[in-house]
Amino acid sequence: ETGVTQTPRHLVMGMTNKKSLKCEQHLGHNAMYWYKQSAKKPLELMFVYSLEERVENNSVPSRFSPECPNSSHLFLHLHTLQPEDSALYLCASSQGFGGLGYGYTFGSGTRLTVV
Amino acid sequence: AQKITQTQPGMFVQEKEAVTLDCTYDTSDPSYGLFWYKQPSSGEMIFLIYQGSYDQQNATEGRYSLNFQKARKSANLVISASQLGDSAMYFCAMRVGNQGGKLIFGQGTELSVKP
Repeated sequence: ETGVTQTPRHLVMGMTNKKSLKCEQHLGHNAMYWYKQSAKKPLELMFVYSLEERVENNSVPSRFSPECPNSSHLFLHLHTLQPEDSALYLCASSQGFGGLGYGYTFGSGTRLTVV
Repeated sequence: AQKITQTQPGMFVQEKEAVTLDCTYDTSDPSYGLFWYKQPSSGEMIFLIYQGSYDQQNATEGRYSLNFQKARKSANLVISASQLGDSAMYFCAMRVGNQGGKLIFGQGTELSVKP
């Protein structure tokens, strides 16, 4: 039990489907993040939420839509994805947003395949 | 611009031997934090060790130690007495004072421990 839970663990979806990834943290953290991890590439930061407010959107295509209804939950809504969007999507949380010594706690990720 | 570089895509080490994974970083900000994460095949990112830019001593956590050479801007991870369970991807990451807390990751090094 890592404290950050992501569901589903695996997802296969067609390009016309709509699906959502869910992330839940039970650590009392006040910041949450979505990362994309493609093969042979560094982790790419997609979105940052601090105190339920989006503070960063790293030029992510609009087919990815985040939602943070409260400090414990983070969603990533997906629609009309492309095959190149296939990747491992990692959620993370941290306490003390902006504090250098605060690392992130990651979930196990959702492995997404777009067909 | 901030950047993390890991130049070793893959490394092999014999069980019970020590191994060093390289990491260099680039930032003009004097305040930063350096992290190492382990990612087994399950996908979860596991925090290993942290080094702050103002820390006088190299960080150690059990079998993990960080060889911090500030002038060279390097933060190599040393794993002593390698175990088969150490086989995984290892990521170096940096958090800088003026970046609002986001972690920047290197490309990763895949470590394989041979029996």
